[in-house]
Amino acid sequence: GNSVTQMEGPVTLSEEAFLTINCTYTATGYPSLFWYVQYPGEGLQLLLKATKADDKGSNKGFEATYRKETTSFHLEKGSVQVSDSAVYFCALNLQGGSEKLVFGKGMKLTVNP
Amino acid sequence: GAVVSQHPSRVICKSGTSVKIECRSLDFQATTMFWYRQFPKQSLMLMATSNEGSKATYEQGVEKDKFLINHASLTLSTLTVTSAHPEDSSFYICSAQRGYNEQFFGPGTRLTVL
Repeated sequence: GNSVTQMEGPVTLSEEAFLTINCTYTATGYPSLFWYVQYPGEGLQLLLKATKADDKGSNKGFEATYRKETTSFHLEKGSVQVSDSAVYFCALNLQGGSEKLVFGKGMKLTVNP
Repeated sequence: GAVVSQHPSRVICKSGTSVKIECRSLDFQATTMFWYRQFPKQSLMLMATSNEGSKATYEQGVEKDKFLINHASLTLSTLTVTSAHPEDSSFYICSAQRGYNEQFFGPGTRLTVL
């Protein structure tokens, strides 16, 4: 089946620290990969995505590279800010199939000033 | 980005009653909407896919007679939890699809069944 495994938090960092959130996946086909972010009191928002191997998604200083050989899509940011405090979800769906998303458990990040 | 709203944001009800949750796409039309359920410290679990003008497609293990879904228009889908029980207490999230690989999520509804 299709599944997503990601780091479980919660994680607390100081401002300007480096962030990595690991995400690995299992899929029967060729998935598109996503990172969603949920800020306090808000709905999930798409942060970035990649649709094929070696693609790099980037947004707001965050990056993730689609690694087919390691079935991974790790999220990184070089210098986090207090405003990055949120819950981060890794997800996939199968290209050419339905639009159903399979999510990881989410990781809560708190950034302190 | 596109906006999806949910109403109510929180609801508390007595066991045995029914609760309706609305999901609206405010600035685009959505042929397909999705309903998810999220338990504490768990991932979002897809409950069903709601298609405008046709019956919803439920995921394995989801009781369709308990979780009634109606996609009455291109901007509105409703989830009704019938005869709610405490184990139905959860966070329910909808999303609306706009184009390929574009889902926009509502802020969620916290249901507490006493």
